[in-house]
Amino acid sequence: DVKVTQSSRYLVKRTGEKVFLECVQDMDHENMFWYRQDPGLGLRLIYFSYDVKMKEKGDIPEGYSVSREKKERFSLILESASTNQTSMYLCASSSRRDRDQETQYFGPGTRLLVL
Amino acid sequence: TQLLEQSPQFLSIQEGENLTVYCNSSSVFSSLQWYRQEPGEGPVLLVTVVTGGEVKKLKRLTFQFGDARKDSSLHITAAQPGDTGLYLCAGAPNSGYALNFGKGTSLLVTP
Repeated sequence: DVKVTQSSRYLVKRTGEKVFLECVQDMDHENMFWYRQDPGLGLRLIYFSYDVKMKEKGDIPEGYSVSREKKERFSLILESASTNQTSMYLCASSSRRDRDQETQYFGPGTRLLVL
Repeated sequence: TQLLEQSPQFLSIQEGENLTVYCNSSSVFSSLQWYRQEPGEGPVLLVTVVTGGEVKKLKRLTFQFGDARKDSSLHITAAQPGDTGLYLCAGAPNSGYALNFGKGTSLLVTP
């Protein structure tokens, strides 16, 4: 079974703090994704990466950056947290090697509260 | 831009009833996924459909991909309280790596 883990289930941070969200997958997947999920807005793609050290902006990259130094790990960074970044953050991964290459496997999510 | 429209947005039914959730788009997708998400958890993959007209069954759940690969439906027979959750459809465009997600259908099944 694919396993995607996220470093924290719940985080509380203050405005202006730098926040790191870590995601690790154990299936040697090439692609990794960061989404945020908000009521009424659904899942919105922040950034994705299709290879080590590669990154692509998603629909809402402003205020975020990412790092992919190793294949299994994809980090989301909030350079200076703001209250409008309070959300559920979901990491996902997918493989390019099989027929279902678009199928994404999700982690359990990190619920971030910025005060 | 939200390319996938899901309906209904909310659904509250009693145990034993049948229901259908729809996922529609004007765009063609190379594949379409259905996920279920429980509160406070990440989405869990239910099924991937890749061929136009394809029908897949998962116990009491039946998934259909439209012939033109622009839409899909999820039918649940004899719903149970354990089916409660947020159902998300997601489509893969013919190019690119990212999925387009619908906003989800929130299902509540009461005993």
